[in-house]
Amino acid sequence: DIQMTQSPSSLSASVGDRVTITCQASQDISNYLNWYQQKPGKAPKVLIYDASNLQTGVPSRFSGSGSGRDFTFTISSLQPEDIATYYCQHYDDLLHLTFGGGTKVEIK
Amino acid sequence: QVQVVQSGAEVKKAGASVKVSCKASGYRFTGYVVHWVRQAPGQGLEWMGWINGGNDNTKYSQKFQGRLTFTKDTSASTAYMELSSLRSEDTAVYYCARLFKLQDGRLDYWGQGTLVTVSS
Repeated sequence: DIQMTQSPSSLSASVGDRVTITCQASQDISNYLNWYQQKPGKAPKVLIYDASNLQTGVPSRFSGSGSGRDFTFTISSLQPEDIATYYCQHYDDLLHLTFGGGTKVEIK
Repeated sequence: QVQVVQSGAEVKKAGASVKVSCKASGYRFTGYVVHWVRQAPGQGLEWMGWINGGNDNTKYSQKFQGRLTFTKDTSASTAYMELSSLRSEDTAVYYCARLFKLQDGRLDYWGQGTLVTVSS
């Protein structure tokens, strides 16, 4: 089974800061990688699909990049409403899903 | 508009079973796959499997093989998740979510979650 390793597990940043989260797959997964935001007590929300595509309606300060084993998720200018936990998620041809461990983002 | 509404919270004894429903509206239920994901208190997301709304296909995470069953009622646009032989580690919020399309692993619409508490 493919493992998804996400880092850091938590971070603290100031409003306006650039925030970067990484996700590494245990083997090459091409671009089969999505990113989600989950706010406390809420269901996750997809932000980025296929590694670098912005989901409709998602602010442009969110972006993703990478392919193969290494992926990056970026918030270009952190806003107070971005406080949440972010997850990467891999999918395969049989629609088996694997989530990363999550990154909790807090305001400094 | 697309909506996914799950059944309410459940409290079960260890060893019992729980069945959670997931009712879809605003889209053609038979045209999509529904995934199930759970989240233990303070923990991350754990994938459980999926059911295809348009045929009899299902897939289960190996972790739950033998204890987990997905069913559906297409006339009611509703998917069901039943987990048996419950243990305390099954205490979690259980989510259903629509797969955007085949060959695309995006879960674009999620239910509100159903808290299942297992007591000994």
